[in-house]
Amino acid sequence: DQQVKQNSPSLSVQEGRISILNCDYTNSMFDYFLWYKKYPAEGPTFLISISSIKDKNEDGRFTVFLNKSAKHLSLHIVPSQPGDSAVYFCAASGAADSNYQLIWGAGTKLIIKP
Amino acid sequence: DTEVTQTPKHLVMGMTNKKSLKCEQHMGHRAMYWYKQKAKKPPELMFVYSYEKLSINESVPSRFSPECPNSSLLNLHLHALQPEDSALYLCASSQLGWNEQYFGPGTRLTVT
Repeated sequence: DQQVKQNSPSLSVQEGRISILNCDYTNSMFDYFLWYKKYPAEGPTFLISISSIKDKNEDGRFTVFLNKSAKHLSLHIVPSQPGDSAVYFCAASGAADSNYQLIWGAGTKLIIKP
Repeated sequence: DTEVTQTPKHLVMGMTNKKSLKCEQHMGHRAMYWYKQKAKKPPELMFVYSYEKLSINESVPSRFSPECPNSSLLNLHLHALQPEDSALYLCASSQLGWNEQYFGPGTRLTVT
């Protein structure tokens, strides 16, 4: 059972526009959510996170929104830059049996067009 | 400093070889992790060490043997691997009780 879902395998956005990546989860016990960015053949890089007690967290060009009632979060990148082209993973933690484990989505490949 | 280092960057080994992957962090993190990642898939957790003790083994075959010699170092010993074990092996670390895990660049392993 996939507890964290990223339903868009890929997304193409024009440079300078807003990129919106979406993530849905099913386990209401999750209390912390993270976004990672990954280039090919490199380790994931932590981008931004949000606690379930908040509905928004912002860091520079990156903003994460959390809608607990819908069990949905999104990552907004504004403005999008060519270097943002990568695979973005949503991850969640905090389920009672998680023991510090991250539950990962399948990833969304973001392509920024010049 | 949020750096996790891993060596080697690339490794090619035969099915009868014994090799080791190394990971190091100097952030004072007391949790360290080994992940395996196949192309176009999310990282798959293998092992978790908390305070240098193995706390999670995700039913990993015994041909993978982790070791945590001290709070900064994590090794993964490999023996009698199969071609399907070819993957990117990632090390990560975090503060205990914190959710943000910081990843190394990975070791690209090819088993021939």
